[in-house]
Amino acid sequence: DAGVIQSPRHEVTEMGQEVTLRCKPISGHDYLFWYRQTMMRGLELLIYFNNNVPIDDSGMPEDRFSAKMPNASFSTLKIQPSEPRDSAVYFCASTRGDGPLHFGNGTRLTVT
Amino acid sequence: SQQGEEDPQALSIQEGENATMNCSYKTSINNLQWYRQNSGRGLVHLILIRSNEREKHSGRLRVTLDTSKKSSSLLITASRAADTASYFCLLSGNTPLVFGKGTRLSVIA
Repeated sequence: DAGVIQSPRHEVTEMGQEVTLRCKPISGHDYLFWYRQTMMRGLELLIYFNNNVPIDDSGMPEDRFSAKMPNASFSTLKIQPSEPRDSAVYFCASTRGDGPLHFGNGTRLTVT
Repeated sequence: SQQGEEDPQALSIQEGENATMNCSYKTSINNLQWYRQNSGRGLVHLILIRSNEREKHSGRLRVTLDTSKKSSSLLITASRAADTASYFCLLSGNTPLVFGKGTRLSVIA
């Protein structure tokens, strides 16, 4: 199994631009999580899906953030418009039931 | 949401020594998991202990769980420089799964 695959690995963009982060979970996993990590705030849960349905998006910072999971093998996290304070490492993780989380390698986002 | 709190925040030891870090929580759990994160990488699952278990081993790792005290500890024996990382506990009972701030372990060669 290739594990959780995230793309791109690095993204540098200018303030105001739209950013789309992508995640392919492990086949057969029914939960998908998006996390954001910064030095100041640590690892924050943004949103999670169960069977492609968003269950809790209370961690999404504001309306500029949106996430979708159109099918069991793909999810996106979109920021529009992006701001410098969105600079962080964004992780996607998947699991089956209450088993261990499997993390992708993350996307390092820099907004200038 | 339920979140574990790791203690200490930072720990520095010499190679070959044992490292112990703790996790305390407030709610009931189904299981408790420990993860490691090397700088700039995604978290890696180390070990899962269920609420009806008291101790579990995996190589140089030993995890204990005391549900009466709502606490868990992770012991790394004979530490190596490669063990330098941040360590997080994660509670499972109800999603969502929220991480604490972790323990930053530095193993000095």
